Amino acid sequence: GQNIDQPTEMTATEGAIVQINCTYQTSGFNGLFWYQQHAGEAPTFLSYNVLDGLEEKGRFSSFLSRSKGYSYLLLKELQMKDSASYLCAVKGGDYKLSFGAGTTVTVRA
Amino acid sequence: IAGITQAPTSQILAAGRRMTLRCTQDMRHNAMYWYRQDLGLGLRLIHYSNTAGTTGKGEVPDGYSVSRANTDDFPLTLASAVPSQTSVYFCASSPLAGAGDTQYFGPGTRLTVL
Repeated sequence: GQNIDQPTEMTATEGAIVQINCTYQTSGFNGLFWYQQHAGEAPTFLSYNVLDGLEEKGRFSSFLSRSKGYSYLLLKELQMKDSASYLCAVKGGDYKLSFGAGTTVTVRA
Repeated sequence: IAGITQAPTSQILAAGRRMTLRCTQDMRHNAMYWYRQDLGLGLRLIHYSNTAGTTGKGEVPDGYSVSRANTDDFPLTLASAVPSQTSVYFCASSPLAGAGDTQYFGPGTRLTVL
C-alpha cells in the first residue's frame, strides 16, 4: 500500500512564502505530482518531479528527495487567490496515483 | 474549450437505486480514471482504463462498475446505491498511463445517497 502524509492546514499572510511538506512510503516510484484544488472545483496540475532536485515554475517550486521519501511545494509572493487545497500525489510502481489528504492553505490580508 | 465533462453536476439518490455517472473527454486521451473524494481521505481510485476496451480495479472498486466502449466515454455505474457512496466523484484522463503522464480532472459530480 501507499502512505502519503501532508499537514492538514496552513495559514500565511499575503506576500509571504509557504512551504507544504509531503512525505511518502510507496511500493515503487514513478514520480510525484502536486495539484491545486479550489473549494468546489476540480484539482488542477501544478508540478511533476521524478528526479531529485528543485523544479521552479513562476511563483511555485517543487522539490523532491527520493532517498528521503520527501517533497515540498513552495509558494512565493502569496496572493489571496492561492487560498486552496494542495494535493500531493505519488505515482507508484503500478503507475497509479495515490493522493495525500491535502493541505488547506489560507492566505490572510 | 477541450477537456473533460461530467454529468450530472449533482444528484440526490435514494438508497437501492441504480445510477450512472457520465464522463466524456475530447482530448483523445488513452487512459481514464474514476476517483471519489471524501473529507479527510483525499482522492481514492475506484476504477481505471488504460485504453479503450480495457478496465481495471482501483483501491475502492466494490459497488461500482465501469465500461470503456470507446476512447471518449467512461461511465461509472452504481448498481444499488448505499449511503456510504455519498461523495464527490471525479473523472480524469491522461494521454497514456505512463510515469510522466499528467492526469487532468473533470469538474466532478456531487452525489448524495439517502
